[in-house]
Amino acid sequence: NAGVMQNPRHLVRRRGQEARLRCSPMKGHSHVYWYRQLPEEGLKFMVYLQKENIIDESGMPKERFSAEFPKEGPSILRIQQVVRGDSAAYFCASSPPHPGQVNYGYTFGSGTRLTVV
Amino acid sequence: DAKTTQPNSMESNEEEPVHLPCNHSTISGTDYIHWYRQLPSQGPEYVIHGLTSNVNNRMASLAIAEDRKSSTLILHRATLRDAAVYYCMGSSNTGKLIFGQGTTLQVKP
Repeated sequence: NAGVMQNPRHLVRRRGQEARLRCSPMKGHSHVYWYRQLPEEGLKFMVYLQKENIIDESGMPKERFSAEFPKEGPSILRIQQVVRGDSAAYFCASSPPHPGQVNYGYTFGSGTRLTVV
Repeated sequence: DAKTTQPNSMESNEEEPVHLPCNHSTISGTDYIHWYRQLPSQGPEYVIHGLTSNVNNRMASLAIAEDRKSSTLILHRATLRDAAVYYCMGSSNTGKLIFGQGTTLQVKP
């Protein structure tokens, strides 16, 4: 049973280009969470998605960032017109549906390290 | 979301037990207490969680204070591979986990 798969592991983009980060959840998981970790900092929640639905995007920057989790295929975190400050590690986690409190551990992927040059 | 307080760093000797404390005085009565760790250059890894009773698994033990305002993660025999940043947090019914600054654990051979 494969874990959470993220690709690419490393991504280099020039300023102004677009970055697309992919996250394939564990089999049977319909919820995905994206986190960002800036160099030497902690993990910051970005967005929480179910298939075809954004549940909570309170941590997403207002501009240039978007996320989707289509009915088929991986979840995509898209960063348009990247700037140097977007350089960070981006992690996703997945979980099964939970009607109430989170009573289990989330599985995280190994992350995508984005470098903007 | 519960606010958590952890020491910035701790040291341990290899093969000795480690007690990592966490204060979470604002946690609600229904929030679970979760612990994750992050090894260098890796994603966070689930360690353990609990509600009121102490919990044990193959990785660690979790001791929860009776008033639930604090908890302690116990690594019974630290190894060099346990060197990581350890995060405690309260869950919520919103689904998202909120990471604090965590405790950087150094394990000396």
